[in-house]
Amino acid sequence: GESVGLHLPTLSVQEGDNSIINCAYSNSASDYFIWYKQESGKGPQFIIDIRSNMDKRQGQRVTVLLNKTVKHLSLQIAATQPGDSAVYFCAENYGGSQGNLIFGKGTKLSVKP
Amino acid sequence: DTEVTQTPKHLVMGMTNKKSLKCEQHMGHRAMYWYKQKAKKPPELMFVYSYEKLSINESVPSRFSPECPNSSLLNLHLHALQPEDSALYLCASSPRAGTGDGYTFGSGTRLTVV
Repeated sequence: GESVGLHLPTLSVQEGDNSIINCAYSNSASDYFIWYKQESGKGPQFIIDIRSNMDKRQGQRVTVLLNKTVKHLSLQIAATQPGDSAVYFCAENYGGSQGNLIFGKGTKLSVKP
Repeated sequence: DTEVTQTPKHLVMGMTNKKSLKCEQHMGHRAMYWYKQKAKKPPELMFVYSYEKLSINESVPSRFSPECPNSSLLNLHLHALQPEDSALYLCASSPRAGTGDGYTFGSGTRLTVV
């Protein structure tokens, strides 16, 4: 089975609220994690990444937190907007010479105006 | 150019047809990938090309045949597909294989097998 999973398959938030999307991973050797946003009919779009030597990274309105102790990854979106509505996937890089990106199951975020 | 271009965007084919999906990037990336994505599921890796050589085949049936003619192009040849092969086929590229970073995905080809 997949080593990367999400706790919540769907998330509905009010516009302006903060959103938190969670992800659990099982491979302690994974060294790199990425959050992707996928809108209907489009390919995954890079949002933010974090390496295993960090525990927090901030972007514009987004923050990724990494807790290696419990193998947990989260994506925080501040002041969520209707344009944030999409499916969000976490992905981990298994490392090694080939390096495969393994995707989690995805969370659908719906933003209510 | 910072895009991965996939053609066609939509494809309907019969089970006896032969068709090809195309992917192109001009970012100088030396790793290219094919992923398959079923509805409401995450992308699943099919093939990895590194420096135009097939480096990973994730136990994909032989009715899917990848080809990398040069460092900018990636094809997926389809033959004798089954209805369950209907999915979104995503192409991606990255500067090199092994690091996981710098992936750029195309918008995909929506394939329907009838």
